[in-house]
Amino acid sequence: EAQVTQNPRYLITVTGKKLTVTCSQNMNHEYMSWYRQDPGLGLRQIYYSMNVEVTDKGDVPEGYKVSRKEKRNFPLILESPSPNQTSLYFCASSLMGKGYGYTFGSGTRLTVV
Amino acid sequence: SQQGEEDPQALSIQEGENATMNCSYKTSINNLQWYRQNSGRGLVHLILIRSNEREKHSGRLRVTLDTSKKSSSLLITASRAADTASYFCAAGYSGAGSYQLTFGKGTKLSVIP
Repeated sequence: EAQVTQNPRYLITVTGKKLTVTCSQNMNHEYMSWYRQDPGLGLRQIYYSMNVEVTDKGDVPEGYKVSRKEKRNFPLILESPSPNQTSLYFCASSLMGKGYGYTFGSGTRLTVV
Repeated sequence: SQQGEEDPQALSIQEGENATMNCSYKTSINNLQWYRQNSGRGLVHLILIRSNEREKHSGRLRVTLDTSKKSSSLLITASRAADTASYFCAAGYSGAGSYQLTFGKGTKLSVIP
């Protein structure tokens, strides 16, 4: 089944403890992206990648890192999480180009205390 | 941020009625997409309309695009209780070798049986 898989689904952590949210897709998509969703703010893009070893900042990149060493994986790294990073995170992928929709993962609900 | 903006923020209708949601965006786009999200789950791609198209249909969905007004609308005909969800428009922009999809804050649709 074609899908984007995120792990974990739920995570509670403490301020400052490094964490990684994994994202993997099995559709050979070039384009991958991370979003965070907060009440009243909609979805905001954190980082995106147009292909292996090519990443770029979205609208809210502060406090996050990403890497794209393989086409299928696009992990999101929080080196020192803070409570304002408590949010619902989504990974998405698509074929490159302007005419394709995104396939989203099921989301990761992160709470930083 | 070049977000799309949906209108209304919330919509409640009876089963069998039509639901119309509107979206506005700020600058020239390559395409306009609509997504659906069931309570805290991942977004599902519904339909994409390119900037040179004016109307598109998919099942009970009808999307229009007016580039002169920088607006789009999503019509769901003969709504069902299962259509209850949040609906997001997303504007596809490209430039300087990059491509980004920017989401609005969504319309929460409730279909009452």
